Amino acid sequence: QKEVEQNSGPLSVPEGAIASLNCTYSDRGSQSFFWYRQYSGKSPELIMSIYSNGDKEDGRFTAQLNKASQYVSLLIRDSQPSDSATYLCAVNVYGYQKVTFGTGTKLQVIP
Amino acid sequence: DTEVTQTPKHLVMGMTNKKSLKCEQHMGHRAMYWYKQKAKKPPELMFVYSYEKLSINESVPSRFSPECPNSSLLNLHLHALQPEDSALYLCASSQDRVNTEAFFGQGTRLTVV
Repeated sequence: QKEVEQNSGPLSVPEGAIASLNCTYSDRGSQSFFWYRQYSGKSPELIMSIYSNGDKEDGRFTAQLNKASQYVSLLIRDSQPSDSATYLCAVNVYGYQKVTFGTGTKLQVIP
Repeated sequence: DTEVTQTPKHLVMGMTNKKSLKCEQHMGHRAMYWYKQKAKKPPELMFVYSYEKLSINESVPSRFSPECPNSSLLNLHLHALQPEDSALYLCASSQDRVNTEAFFGQGTRLTVV
């Protein structure tokens, strides 16, 4: 069983729509959750961190965490072509330094 | 400032060469990481340093040798690599071993010929 699972996509959405990216994890001890954006050939860029159940908003991005159901999601409102990238979900168990990455979801925003 | 700087950006080396990758951060972070990333795969953890001491080695072959000279610098020494070691090598740092919100450098694209 994979520790962090994401749909590899590609997820295609029209420009201006809401893109919804999902991630599930297996370790109930997980405490820290991160979303990274990675453009092709570039390094991962941290866009959101979430630690508590509920929603966390930052500009056009909203991270949602549900520890009971063991999933974390990222919503991108008013999607732009520049949002086209691979989005990596990363999870960390408290006190353990290793962050586990999902395989990433490729997002394509169609103009 | 959330900047992690890696040098060089690109490196081509022969299988008998010795080279080093360098990483620097000035955010006061006390945890630093080396990751390896192959195309269309997620980053794969190699090493973790916490307060300048090696805390995690993910069973990485000895041809990769990490070094943390001080709290701002992290090196990865390379020797006798194989073509399959060609990848993007990423350095990252986080506040400490508990706060693992990590910021990545731009990476070094390594090609072994």
